[in-house]
Amino acid sequence: DTGVSQNPRHKITKRGQNVTFRCDPISEHNRLYWYRQTLGQGPEFLTYFQNEAQLEKSRLLSDRFSAERPKGSFSTLEIQRTEQGDSAMYLCATSKGLADYNEQFFGPGTRLTVL
Amino acid sequence: QQPVQSPQAVILREGEDAVINCSSSKALYSVHWYRQKHGEAPVFLMILLKGGEQKGHEKISASFNEKKQQSSLYLTASQLSYSGTYFCGTVDFGNEKLTFGTGTRLTIIP
Repeated sequence: DTGVSQNPRHKITKRGQNVTFRCDPISEHNRLYWYRQTLGQGPEFLTYFQNEAQLEKSRLLSDRFSAERPKGSFSTLEIQRTEQGDSAMYLCATSKGLADYNEQFFGPGTRLTVL
Repeated sequence: QQPVQSPQAVILREGEDAVINCSSSKALYSVHWYRQKHGEAPVFLMILLKGGEQKGHEKISASFNEKKQQSSLYLTASQLSYSGTYFCGTVDFGNEKLTFGTGTRLTIIP
C-alpha cells in the first residue's frame, strides 16, 4: 500500500454512459498524475496537476475526458459518453515536487470495462 | 515517442543475473525504473539523473549513458520476487512528465 487510494477499483458500464473515478493522494504530495494502461503496455500519460492547477493534458486525450483537483487534494477523472476503446486500467500517481527527480507513488488503479 | 526496452521478455533461473535496457530518441533529464506485478500498480525502483545522481533502493543498480540516451537496469542474484514487468520512464527536457517504455517481462523460475 503506497498511501494513494483509488475508487472504485472496478467499474463496468455500458457504452455511452458517463463514469467518474476518484484518487486520494498522499497528503503532502502536490503533484498528481493520471495514466491509462492497457494490457501489455506501459502507463500512458493523460494529465497532471500541481496542487489544484491542471498543468498539462495529453494531446491524445479526447474532449470526453476531464479531470479536476479541487483545493489541491483529491482528484476526479470523468469520462463522458464512454466507448469500448476506453476500457483500460486508470492509474493515479502522486509525487512530492517535480517529476524529473522525484519518485511517483501509484494507486491500485480503477479497471474500467465498457460493454 | 516512447522509449524502447530490450529484451521484451526474459526467463531466468533463481540466482542468475539479468540486464534490462532502455533507449530513447530524445535528450533526457532523468530515467526512472518501475516494476509491476500482474494485477498490481507499478512500484518505484530507481531514478537516474543527468549528471550522475541516483536515488533508489540499495539492492538495485542501474546506469545512465547521457550521450546515448540509454539506461540499463542490473538485476543480480535474482530472486523469485523479482518476477514482473519492468518499465523505464523517461523525462526529457521541456517536459515534466514520465513517458513509459515498452516494458520487459521478467520471469524467475526455481
